[in-house]
Amino acid sequence: GENVEQHPSTLSVQEGDSAVIKCTYSDSASNYFPWYKQELGKRPQLIIDIRSNVGEKKDQRIAVTLNKTAKHFSLHITETQPEDSAVYFCAASTSGTYKYIFGTGTRLKVLA
Amino acid sequence: EAEVAQSPRYKITEKSQAVAFWCDPISGHATLYWYRQILGQGPELLVQFQDESVVDDSQLPKDRFSAERLKGVDSTLKIQPAELGDSAMYLCASSTGTGWDTQYFGPGTRLTVL
Repeated sequence: GENVEQHPSTLSVQEGDSAVIKCTYSDSASNYFPWYKQELGKRPQLIIDIRSNVGEKKDQRIAVTLNKTAKHFSLHITETQPEDSAVYFCAASTSGTYKYIFGTGTRLKVLA
Repeated sequence: EAEVAQSPRYKITEKSQAVAFWCDPISGHATLYWYRQILGQGPELLVQFQDESVVDDSQLPKDRFSAERLKGVDSTLKIQPAELGDSAMYLCASSTGTGWDTQYFGPGTRLTVL
């Protein structure tokens, strides 16, 4: 079945530095890739998503890139701030199924 | 801004007891999902509803878990009997069920089985 691998599992960066989280998916039919941020004790919240018809999407300090050939996508956070500290999950979905397969998560710590 | 509601937020029970969780999706969302999230892992889909019909329950342990969405709106997930390994966060999510479909999550119910 569909599988999504996510790396690294933990990531510590200094405030102001960039952070990159990578995911690889197995189902070539996947065409929608959301990223969620989950702060301790809170619900996962969508922070950015990308569809397979584009290679990159940016929203202020957050960007996502997609390489369909290699079947991987990445989250880039620039100028990190302490409030970026959270667990980040990637997911892959195929339109029509509305079913997400989640990665295992990355715990990001931004050190002040 | 409309949000997915869940209750209770926390539940402590003893093994072999029955527990039930409730979810109220965003109004108008046809698709509802129940996920289980074990600490340190990503959410795992248990069951997916389209309106009142089950679309996917392939990962639902049907010997002890049941889920219903009788009127196609709110939903209940039940575990009977609870086992120690059921301790986890149970998340509900909803989406419109059309097009490129973003899922919106509720706050979750943290279950502890003693």
